[in-house]
Amino acid sequence: KAGVTQTPRYLIKTRGQQVTLSCSPISGHRSVSWYQQTPGQGLQFLFEYFSETQRNKGNFPGRFSGRQFSNSRSEMNVSTLELGDSALYLCASSPDNRAYEQYFGPGTRLTVT
Amino acid sequence: AQSVTQLGSHVSVSEGALVLLRCNYSSSVPPYLFWYVQYPNQGLQLLLKYTSAATLVKGINGFEAEFKKSETSFHLTKPSAHMSDAAEYFCAVSHNTGTASKLTFGTGTRLQVTL
Repeated sequence: KAGVTQTPRYLIKTRGQQVTLSCSPISGHRSVSWYQQTPGQGLQFLFEYFSETQRNKGNFPGRFSGRQFSNSRSEMNVSTLELGDSALYLCASSPDNRAYEQYFGPGTRLTVT
Repeated sequence: AQSVTQLGSHVSVSEGALVLLRCNYSSSVPPYLFWYVQYPNQGLQLLLKYTSAATLVKGINGFEAEFKKSETSFHLTKPSAHMSDAAEYFCAVSHNTGTASKLTFGTGTRLQVTL
């Protein structure tokens, strides 16, 4: 099976702009989770989508949002970008009955200038 | 609330030596525990998982970990380090339900392997 894919791999944006990141899960996985990885805060859970519904949410401001499509592909959006949003954004997918067993994609490296 | 603590942000071993990366957890309910590895400019790869079955868990690349409830530990070991093991390793904990997707990660341990 193909793994989790994320596009784009690298992105440079300016403060105040918005950005959309995309994630395609492993075939058959309906759960998609998003994480932010920074040197200062480490790996932090953003949110999880299952069957087009947000099922779990971390402690991030409303500028961070996501959605999931009927084919389980997911997007996350960050509006009004801040310098502190520079990070590696990781997407993970899980089997239906084992949401804790997460398989990660390569990530999208976002740089905000 | 659940958490994991990884002791040692950097560990250096010689090639062929034992690798021991430490992880202690805190959880009010029986935890599910995981070790992930991250190579430079890559995502996380699942090394192994503990989900309340056998307490000694074998993973990929020769790694294993033992769940010790009395010590609240889940240390990662490998008998003989290889240069290709140099990477960052993360311990993580989750609730033991099928819908609990949130993983809480430790701060990571960077493993250096020297000749």
